[in-house]
Amino acid sequence: DAKTTQPTSMDCAEGRAANLPCNHSTISGNEYVYWYRQIHSQGPQYIIHGLKNNETNEMASLIITEDRKSSTLILPHATLRDTAVYYCIVPTGGGNKLTFGTGTQLKVEL
Amino acid sequence: GAVVSQHPSWVICKSGTSVKIECRSLDFQATTMFWYRQFPKQSLMLMATSNEGSKATYEQGVEKDKFLINHASLTLSTLTVTSAHPEDSSFYICSASVDRITYTTEAFFGQGTRLTVV
Repeated sequence: DAKTTQPTSMDCAEGRAANLPCNHSTISGNEYVYWYRQIHSQGPQYIIHGLKNNETNEMASLIITEDRKSSTLILPHATLRDTAVYYCIVPTGGGNKLTFGTGTQLKVEL
Repeated sequence: GAVVSQHPSWVICKSGTSVKIECRSLDFQATTMFWYRQFPKQSLMLMATSNEGSKATYEQGVEKDKFLINHASLTLSTLTVTSAHPEDSSFYICSASVDRITYTTEAFFGQGTRLTVV
């Protein structure tokens, strides 16, 4: 998998947007960017993925830079339940086999 | 999204005994499933790839004779921790993807199994 770099931790006020950055400068032209999150003591949860266009679903938005070397996951209105470790992953050969880095611990506070 | 179920959610066993963990895809078929292990305050580490009808593929450093994987059907993979020891205590998680022709598929994870060996 292409290497990704994420900040270790971030804080966000409840109701505000949470913007989580990820660098993936070695990404190849046909590799997708996936985002997952893991709430404490649970299995990871798929959030969103994209190739080069920005993507949005009911959970989040994904903004990918034009050169595809970085991306930002946006939770538009963070709640306390969004407190989790967020993983940005660029898997080689599709989205099934995943290599998890250390991720970003997002803490949403009142 | 698709649902992956693990059983049991937690288990305590005595040192030297074996423990079986089940991973089921409830509403889809999965030719391939994956098993991960997660120690406290660490990230998930891929242990092995479970292939339906064939032998599992283990990651480097994972003992295949200790962590037995069986993928007998398109909806069930099992991980058996044989002769468990306290150092095997961990959070075990499986994942599966909907088999599609398209290149990209997201992975769906089970809720995890907390194994404690005493």
